[in-house]
Amino acid sequence: KQEVTQIPAALSVPEGENLVLNCSFTDSAIYNLQWFRQDPGKGLTSLLLIQSSQREQTSGRLNASLDKSSGRSTLYIAASQPGDSATYLCAVGDAGNMLTFGGGTRLMVKP
Amino acid sequence: ETGVTQSPTHLIKTRGQQVTLRCSSQSGHNTVSWYQQALGQGPQFIFQYYREEENGRGNFPPRFSGLQFPNYSSELNVNALELDDSALYLCASSLGLAGVSLDTQYFGPGTRLTVL
Repeated sequence: KQEVTQIPAALSVPEGENLVLNCSFTDSAIYNLQWFRQDPGKGLTSLLLIQSSQREQTSGRLNASLDKSSGRSTLYIAASQPGDSATYLCAVGDAGNMLTFGGGTRLMVKP
Repeated sequence: ETGVTQSPTHLIKTRGQQVTLRCSSQSGHNTVSWYQQALGQGPQFIFQYYREEENGRGNFPPRFSGLQFPNYSSELNVNALELDDSALYLCASSLGLAGVSLDTQYFGPGTRLTVL
């Protein structure tokens, strides 16, 4: 059974810092890994999708890496802003793109 | 905006009742998935429908059931509600392409269900 873990569970940083969120998964037989953002009480917004054959994806200030063999992914956020405050979720997709999620990292960026 | 809508936004029920939650997917999206998110946790996969047929199910009992319609709408039905069913219920739609590793899922805003 696939299990996804995210560390840390919560993070508070001052504005402007670069930061790294971690995600690990137990079964390396994944088809993709996705990072989502969730604002309080809201749905999920897709940030980045990394196919299993890829090593990383970039979008603006976000960079996500994938090391499938070691079961790890990181989300790097450059020059953090207060608007980045949210919960960040990683999820791994199987052959049917059914997602297994981690518990999330709650990020607060202080002005 | 993802183009995926859900109704109602909030719902309060009592134990033992039945509830139907609705989702409207993006036009052309043949796949819809439903997830349950308890407070402070990540979403858990309930089931997935592709072209009106269930094609995958997570670790949820049979009292959780669903339907998908040709007009890209879908329903999640929960019978015999329990207190632990209180959660945010999310639906997500995707194209359902071959080579699914590229198939981004678009999530709706969710329905907050409270069971008293």
